[in-house]
Parts: sequence; structure tokens; C-alpha cells
Amino acid sequence: DQQVKQNSPSLSVQEGRISILNCDYTNSMFDYFLWYKKYPAEGPTFLISISSIKDKNEDGRFTVFLNKSAKHLSLHIVPSQPGDSAVYFCAASDYNTDKLIFGTGTRLQVFP
Amino acid sequence: SAVISQKPSRDICQRGTSLTIQCQVDSQVTMMFWYRQQPGQSLTLIATANQGSEATYESGFVIDKFPISRPNLTFSTLTVSNMSPEDSSIYLCSVENNLYNEQFFGPGTRLTVL
Repeated sequence: DQQVKQNSPSLSVQEGRISILNCDYTNSMFDYFLWYKKYPAEGPTFLISISSIKDKNEDGRFTVFLNKSAKHLSLHIVPSQPGDSAVYFCAASDYNTDKLIFGTGTRLQVFP
Repeated sequence: SAVISQKPSRDICQRGTSLTIQCQVDSQVTMMFWYRQQPGQSLTLIATANQGSEATYESGFVIDKFPISRPNLTFSTLTVSNMSPEDSSIYLCSVENNLYNEQFFGPGTRLTVL
């Protein structure tokens, strides 16, 4: 059972426009959510996170929104840049464990 | 942030053999994690390795297949034993930083089993 789902395997966005990556989860015990970016041949790097007590967290061009009632989070990148082209994973954890549960990833391509 | 290195970066192995992957961190960490990313799938936690204790394995993973060592606070190894083509994957080690549940990952080891 996939507890964290990223239903869009890929996304293509023009440079300068907004990229919106979506993530859904099923476990209501999750209380912390993270986004990771992964370039080919590299390990994932932490991007941004949000606690379940918030509904929005912003860091520069990156904003994560959390809708607890819908069990949905999204990552917005504005403006998108070609260097943002990568695979983005959302991950979730609950306060009982230190384990992260990852989604399957969304490949973002930002074209000029 | 932690700097993590893995050896080897990639390998091609024959069925039935074993490969040991090394993970080195530039700082002392309590918890280290081993993940697998099979083609087209999400990162899946194999086990959690704490220094001085037995590794804790996730459902579907067993010590005989994936023995782990954690001799000190900066180093760990994962062995993939008696390999089959289904073990072809990227294996990543990860450490937890001081902030809540944020993890840093190594560059990964790409394993191909023929």
C-alpha cells in the first residue's frame, strides 16, 4: 500500500512560469512533510519541509502548501528555472518514528 | 549539513555473488539509514543502523539478505548477499541531521546484477 503518492510521473513547464508538484498521503498520523530534489547520479537533497501545524511554508522561490483535510500537499516553484529540472520526491513521517515514507517522484523539466 | 560518500558508486555483479557498499559520513551521527530505489519506484527504507546495536529491518527485508555493520558513528556497510537481477537498484545511505526528521543522502550506489 503506497502511503505517499505522486500521481504525476512527469511535468514540463516553461522557464519563468510556475511549477506545481502534487503529493497525496493516506496516513493521518503523518505530521511532517518534506520535499527532496534529486539530480541524476546524485542522492536526494532536502528542499523544504512543513509541519502539520502549518498550512504554508515559504523559502525563496519554493512554497509548500498543506491541506490536512484533503491529505494533500503541493510544492510551488516560482519562477521556474532550467536548473530546477530534476526529480522531486515528497516524503512524510509521523512523530512515533524517524522513518520517512517517500512518494514515487515527479520528473520536472523546465524548458527555455 | 553532513557530507556523505559511498563506495562503490556503481558495480555490475554476477548472480549469486555478494557486494558490500560502504557509507562514510564526515561527522558523528547516531542514526544511519539504508534505502533502495528500484527503477520507477520510490525510495524504500531497508533498515536503520544505530551504532552499537543490531540494525532494525523493515518489512520485506531480512538480515541474511542485507547484513549491515555499524562499527562507529561515522561509518556503515550494507551487503547485498546472493544477488539476483531483482536486486538491481540504487542503494543509498542517509543520515539524520539535527533538525526534525530532515535527512541527508549519499550519492548512491548503482548496482546491476546480471
